[in-house]
Order: sequence, then structure tokens, then C-alpha cells
Amino acid sequence: AQTVTQSQPEMSVQEAETVTLSCTYDTSENNYYLFWYKQPPSRQMILVIRQEAYKQQNATENRFSVNFQKAAKSFSLKISDSQLGDTAMYFCAFMRRRGTRGFGNEKLTFGTGTRLTIIP
Amino acid sequence: DTGVSQDPRHKITKRGQNVTFRCDPISEHNRLYWYRQTLGQGPEFLTYFQNEAQLEKSRLLSDRFSAERPKGSFSTLEIQRTEQGDSAMYLCASSLELLADTDTQYFGPGTRLTVL
Repeated sequence: AQTVTQSQPEMSVQEAETVTLSCTYDTSENNYYLFWYKQPPSRQMILVIRQEAYKQQNATENRFSVNFQKAAKSFSLKISDSQLGDTAMYFCAFMRRRGTRGFGNEKLTFGTGTRLTIIP
Repeated sequence: DTGVSQDPRHKITKRGQNVTFRCDPISEHNRLYWYRQTLGQGPEFLTYFQNEAQLEKSRLLSDRFSAERPKGSFSTLEIQRTEQGDSAMYLCASSLELLADTDTQYFGPGTRLTVL
């Protein structure tokens, strides 16, 4: 079974600053995906960024980037030039990649989240 | 193209009553997932469908819970004889299952259930 740990329950940062959210995970799988989802106060979960474990290059999406350390099982999210709209709960999630043996359950396993507040 | 929709957004019920939630996935998506999220926690997997087939159920899904996806489009999640411990946000997600890879899951707004 997989576990995902987010050790920072809450964080706050001034607008325009950079913030890094931490995530570690435990798995015996070799092929998997990692995600960061954002859940604003309206509570709709939105995908922020996705990383394939077989890719060494860290994923980036505009102001969002990750630091993926496969050996250390670490997957942190960096938000640059933070904006007020970045205020939300951020969840790190793990998903096994379907192998060549056929269908499997690609369910998401989530961490407990980090509540990020951007201060004007 | 609309996203995942869920109905109702909020449901308040008395203990012992039955409730049913509906999820409409993104139109071309063949996989549909149900998750439950309690306050201060991340979502937890309940069950998922590939087209109309329910392929896995979590141990969290007691026999009071039943889910269907009769035509491989929308899905319903029914809870019978609700208990206060069922109070949570119920999230639906959908994805497009590809031949060689697994696509990202996209979430709906959720149904918040309160059992009095």
C-alpha cells in the first residue's frame, strides 16, 4: 500500500514571494505518477501539476514547479510569485501507473494537505 | 466542454434516512471514481467504474453503500440508513482510460452530506 505524507499542515507567505510545499511518499512500485491538487475555499479540486516517475526532468506549469527526488521519495511543489488566488488547500497525491499486465486500479492516494494562505 | 458535475451540492438528512447522489463525468471519460473527504483530511478512495462495470470497492464502502453507473455515463452513489459518521464531502472524478497510459482524474465540486 502507498502512503503520502505532508508534514506542513499550514503555511503562509507574502504575496509575490516564493513558497515550497513538502511531500514524501512510500511505495514499492516503480512506475507511478505524482500530482499536486489545489482545493480553494469553494472546494473544487483542481489539478496543479503532474509528474511521471519515469521522467527525470521536473515538471513545470507556469509559476508552479516540482522538485522530484525519486530515490528519496520526495515531491515538493514550488510556487513562484505567489498570488492571492493561490490561497487554498494543497494535496499531494500518488497514483500507480498501469503496467503491461492489463487494467489496474489507478486510484489516487492523497496526503492530508497543506493549507496555504497568501497574505496581501 | 463542461467539467464533472455533481448533484446535489449539499444534503442534510436525519440519521436512518437514505440518500442518493449523482455524478455526471466529462462526456468522453470512461472512468469514474468516488472519493470521500472528511474535514481536515485528504480524499479517500471509495470505488471506481470502467464504463458501466464497477471494478473495485474500498473496504470503506460498507454494505450500506451502493454505486451504479448503468449506461456508462452518469453514476449514482446511494447510502442507506445513514449514520452521523457518514457526514463528509463526497467527491466524484473522471478520467479517460487510454490504451497505454493512465490519464489525470478531474474532480467535480462534491456533495456535502450532513447527517443529523
